[in-house]
Amino acid sequence: GAVVSQHPSWVICKSGTSVKIECRSLDFQATTMFWYRQFPKQSLMLMATSNEGSKATYEQGVEKDKFLINHASLTLSTLTVTSAHPEDSSFYICSATGLAATYTGELFFGEGSRLTVL
Amino acid sequence: AQTVTQSQPEMSVQEAETVTLSCTYDTSENNYYLFWYKQPPSRQMILVIRQEAYKQQNATENRFSVNFQKAAKSFSLKISDSQLGDTAMYFCAFMKHGDNNDMRFGAGTRLTVKP
Repeated sequence: GAVVSQHPSWVICKSGTSVKIECRSLDFQATTMFWYRQFPKQSLMLMATSNEGSKATYEQGVEKDKFLINHASLTLSTLTVTSAHPEDSSFYICSATGLAATYTGELFFGEGSRLTVL
Repeated sequence: AQTVTQSQPEMSVQEAETVTLSCTYDTSENNYYLFWYKQPPSRQMILVIRQEAYKQQNATENRFSVNFQKAAKSFSLKISDSQLGDTAMYFCAFMKHGDNNDMRFGAGTRLTVKP
C-alpha cells in the first residue's frame, strides 16, 4: 500500500512556543490530506481537511489560528500548533488520499506524532 | 451528518477463540464505505477490512470477517482464532462515497486477547 510518513514522531516543547508537524506521502500524490487529534484512550477526531493548493477546511470547534495547516505540494502537508499550551498535548495523526483512491475509498495513515507541551 | 457507534468500550477473548465487535452507523447515504481499523500500542492505524455498501457479500480477510447488514446499519467484525497480536484498539469507520474520502470513526473497542 501507499506510504505516508509523519515527522517528528514525538516532540516536547515549552508552553508558548510553536511546533510544526510534517506529513509526507512518499510514493503517491496526495490530493487531499486530513489531520486528526487523538486524546488518550479516545477516538480520532477530525480537525481539518486540506486540498493541495487550497485553504484547509476546519471542523467546527477547531481554532484555525491555533492549528495552521499548509498543503503547498502534492506530497507535503504541515500542521503548526501555534503558541502551544499544555492542553494542546495530544497525539496528532495525518492521513492522505490520491486521485485514484478517491474512487476506491482508500485512506493512508501516517505513524502519528505525540506532542507534549510543558 | 454520519455517526458511528461502538457500544463495547472493552472486550476480552481467550487465545484461539472467536470474538465479535459491534458497530452501528447512521446515514442517509446509499453509497459509502465501511472500515475496521486496528490501532496497536504503536498507535499506527492498520486497515483490517473494508466493505463497499453496494456489495451484499460480506468482506473477508483471513481470520477477519464482517457481518454487514445494510438495512439495519450494522457492521460487526468477527475475529476467528484470536491471537495475542490481535490485542489492540479497534475502530469502526464510515466514509461517504465521493466525499473527499472524509472518514469518521467510532469511539473504539479495546480488545485484549488472553493467553
